[in-house]
Amino acid sequence: GAGVSQTPSNKVTEKGKYVELRCDPISGHTALYWYRQSLGQGPEFLIYFQGTGAADDSGLPNDRFFAVRPEGSVSTLKIQRTERGDSAVYLCASSLIAGQGLTEQYFGPGTRLTVT
Amino acid sequence: AQSVAQPEDQVNVAEGNPLTVKCTYSVSGNPYLFWYVQYPNRGLQFLLKYITGDNLVKGSYGFEAEFNKSQTSFHLKKPSALVSDSALYFCAVRGDNRLAFGKGNQVVVIP
Repeated sequence: GAGVSQTPSNKVTEKGKYVELRCDPISGHTALYWYRQSLGQGPEFLIYFQGTGAADDSGLPNDRFFAVRPEGSVSTLKIQRTERGDSAVYLCASSLIAGQGLTEQYFGPGTRLTVT
Repeated sequence: AQSVAQPEDQVNVAEGNPLTVKCTYSVSGNPYLFWYVQYPNRGLQFLLKYITGDNLVKGSYGFEAEFNKSQTSFHLKKPSALVSDSALYFCAVRGDNRLAFGKGNQVVVIP
C-alpha cells in the first residue's frame, strides 16, 4: 500500500519568507509526527498529533513554527519568517496507534528546506 | 528523558563479514527500542523493534538486534554484510509520545 508522502520534496526560499510543508500519512493511521533532521544528526521531534489535535508540540523550536491537521489526515507544517537556521530535512511519520510504544512509526521521504 | 547513544561515527566491514552497529540506551521504565535505516535522499525505513520478550529480535533484510538489559545495549547485527547494506543506521528509543534518535552510524560495506 501507499506509504507516507510529503510535498514538496525540495523547497528553496529566501530568508524572511513563509513556507508550508505537507504530509499525507498512511491511511488509517491516527498518530502523525513531525521531525527535523539537520545535517549529520538524527531526527529531532517537533510535534505529535493524535487525530486532529496537537497532543504534544513541545519540540517546536519557537512560535514561528506551527502545524495543523484539520481533518485528522493530512498535516501541514508552517514556518513564518524563515531563518537560515531553519534549513534542514523535515520528516513526517505516522503510526497506527497513538500514545503507546508498541507500534512503529513509518516515515515519509522528507522535505529538504533550504533558506537562502 | 529517554536517550540513545551510538558511539561510532562510521563502521567499515568487508562484504560477507559480520556487521555490528552499536547502541546503548538510557530510559526510566521499560525500554521500547527501534532500529531504522536511511538510504541517500530517502526517508527512514523501519528495520526492527524490541518491546518485550526474547532478547534476540529478528527484522527486515536479515538484520537482528540483541537486547541486553544489564549492559543497556541494543546492538544491530547481520551475519553476512552485503554491499547494498551501505547506509546510515539510527537507533531510537520511544518515550513521551516521540522517538529519540541517536546521531546515526554510517555503514560502509567494502566489496
